[in-house]
Amino acid sequence: GENVEQHPSTLSVQEGDSAVIKCTYSDSASNYFPWYKQELGKGPQLIIDIRSNVGEKKDQRIAVTLNKTAKHFSLHITETQPEDSAVYFCAASYMGNQFYFGTGTSLTVIP
Amino acid sequence: SAVISQKPSRDICQRGTSLTIQCQVDSQVTMMFWYRQQPGQSLTLIATANQGSEATYESGFVIDKFPISRPNLTFSTLTVSNMSPEDSSIYLCSAQRGQGGYTFGSGTRLTVV
Repeated sequence: GENVEQHPSTLSVQEGDSAVIKCTYSDSASNYFPWYKQELGKGPQLIIDIRSNVGEKKDQRIAVTLNKTAKHFSLHITETQPEDSAVYFCAASYMGNQFYFGTGTSLTVIP
Repeated sequence: SAVISQKPSRDICQRGTSLTIQCQVDSQVTMMFWYRQQPGQSLTLIATANQGSEATYESGFVIDKFPISRPNLTFSTLTVSNMSPEDSSIYLCSAQRGQGGYTFGSGTRLTVV
């Protein structure tokens, strides 16, 4: 089955700096890669996703890049703000079926 | 995208008792999923629930411990049976939004004492 690794497990950045979280996956058949943000006491919220036919996708301050050859994808947050502080999870899926989640990254944005 | 209402949001239960968690989706969805998230950890899939058929359980999870109902295309329940302190966790339901990612409920934080 699929195995998703996520790094780093914790990340602290100064407000206004960029944050990058990286994930690798093992199953080359995986073709859908969402990212979730989970705030304390809440369920995960989808923030951005990318399909395997696209190398990069951007939504305001958030971007995701995908390297199919190397089987890794990354979340980029620019101009970080304190409200970006949360736990972020990556996931990999084939055709939107069973999702395999990374272990999470706890991001702290220091004002 | 689908909106999921999950309840209760939290509960403290005595060991040996059972708790039923409910999830209501605001639109019809084919599959619903139940996850467990232990403190500080990632999400582990418990089972997949399709309407009109028995739920499919992942390795390490059994129907006797986590019975699931899926009476229609907008509703599902997960029961945590004969609870022990090891069952203390966050339980999440989710539904697939078309061919996209999952939408999650807000979670049920369960503490077993």
